[in-house]
Amino acid sequence: AQSVTQLGSHVSVSEGALVLLRCNYSSSVPPYLFWYVQYPNQGLQLLLKYTSAATLVKGINGFEAEFKKSETSFHLTKPSAHMSDAAEYFCAVSDIDFGNEKLTFGTGTRLTIIP
Amino acid sequence: EAQVTQNPRYLITVTGKKLTVTCSQNMNHEYMSWYRQDPGLGLRQIYYSMNVEVTDKGDVPEGYKVSRKEKRNFPLILESPSPNQTSLYFCASSWQTSGSYTGELFFGEGSRLTVL
Repeated sequence: AQSVTQLGSHVSVSEGALVLLRCNYSSSVPPYLFWYVQYPNQGLQLLLKYTSAATLVKGINGFEAEFKKSETSFHLTKPSAHMSDAAEYFCAVSDIDFGNEKLTFGTGTRLTIIP
Repeated sequence: EAQVTQNPRYLITVTGKKLTVTCSQNMNHEYMSWYRQDPGLGLRQIYYSMNVEVTDKGDVPEGYKVSRKEKRNFPLILESPSPNQTSLYFCASSWQTSGSYTGELFFGEGSRLTVL
């Protein structure tokens, strides 16, 4: 079974600083990888996804992630943090049973922005 | 507005009292799924449905039932809730066209359930 590991359940960065959220995956086949964001009291929404095209993927709100097969990583970055980025972030990998678009999620990283 | 709507958003109940969490989507999605979110465990899939009258178990189906009588609705049923089902529940839906994989799930806002 495929899995993802998110390093760091809590990350704090200063406003304007680089955001780096780490995700490593385990997969025996080329995976589809995703980052979702969850704002307080809301559902998850897709930030970006990797589906075997370009290894550097750009998403919404200035976030991007780079797929590195040699490191089995898919870290999420943003050059300059904004207060509105405070949320919980989930890395996920696809586990495609035929017809079941199941996503296997990591345990999440809560991002806090320090003014 | 495209959305997945869950009700109730918050519920406190007692052990053994049957309850249903409703889920409805207005995007004509074929695929729907239920997840539960627990601290330190992320989201885990409970049940999913590929289309009307087609449902199957996910990773943690024990204690839950679902039905899919209409394309837009996918209720989650707890026949006899227990305290270990206290959790935050999310319904999600997605396109599924001739087996092509989209990878994007659209989530509802969640239903926080407490079982005493």
